[in-house]
Amino acid sequence: DVKVTQSSRYLVKRTGEKVFLECVQDMDHENMFWYRQDPGLGLRLIYFSYDVKMKEKGDIPEGYSVSREKKERFSLILESASTNQTSMYLCASSERLAGEREQFFGPGTRLTVL
Amino acid sequence: GNSVTQMEGPVTLSEEAFLTINCTYTATGYPSLFWYVQYPGEGLQLLLKATKADDKGSNKGFEATYRKETTSFHLEKGSVQVSDSAVYFCALRGTYKYIFGTGTRLKVLA
Repeated sequence: DVKVTQSSRYLVKRTGEKVFLECVQDMDHENMFWYRQDPGLGLRLIYFSYDVKMKEKGDIPEGYSVSREKKERFSLILESASTNQTSMYLCASSERLAGEREQFFGPGTRLTVL
Repeated sequence: GNSVTQMEGPVTLSEEAFLTINCTYTATGYPSLFWYVQYPGEGLQLLLKATKADDKGSNKGFEATYRKETTSFHLEKGSVQVSDSAVYFCALRGTYKYIFGTGTRLKVLA
């Protein structure tokens, strides 16, 4: 069974803390994505990566950075967490080239910044 | 640019009622189209997909047809169950990125 796992289901952090969200996929996918999900706004793309050490900004990259040192792992970093980053964070992966292929999602991390 | 518009929810139905959730898209070319479902407390999972015009995707009693002429991909189910209560997302795939609608919450009452 294909799997995308995220390091935490729930996380509570304080304003100003550095936060790491980890995502691992076991499908040998080239593409990996980080989204945040907020009520009424749907899914918004933060960053994506199409290969190891490669990254592209999504629609809302401000306040975030990413790291992809290994193909199976994609990390989202909040350098200095703020309350407006309280959200559900979803990681996903997909094959690179086949246009009809879907994304596979992890279970999400609900982050609360106090 | 590419975009997806889906009907706002919430949609509340009685068990065994007919369901339609509207989805229209704007895109260059002919992207693949998807419906994802998110059950409470979980990530998104693929419900069905269609890769070219007039294709019909189907799964678990849900269906959607890729209509190029109306740029639509409406989700339908003939008889909903309480267990179908979830948030449904319409999406299309660009070159690398996927574009999602804002989601439609469905609540089915027994």
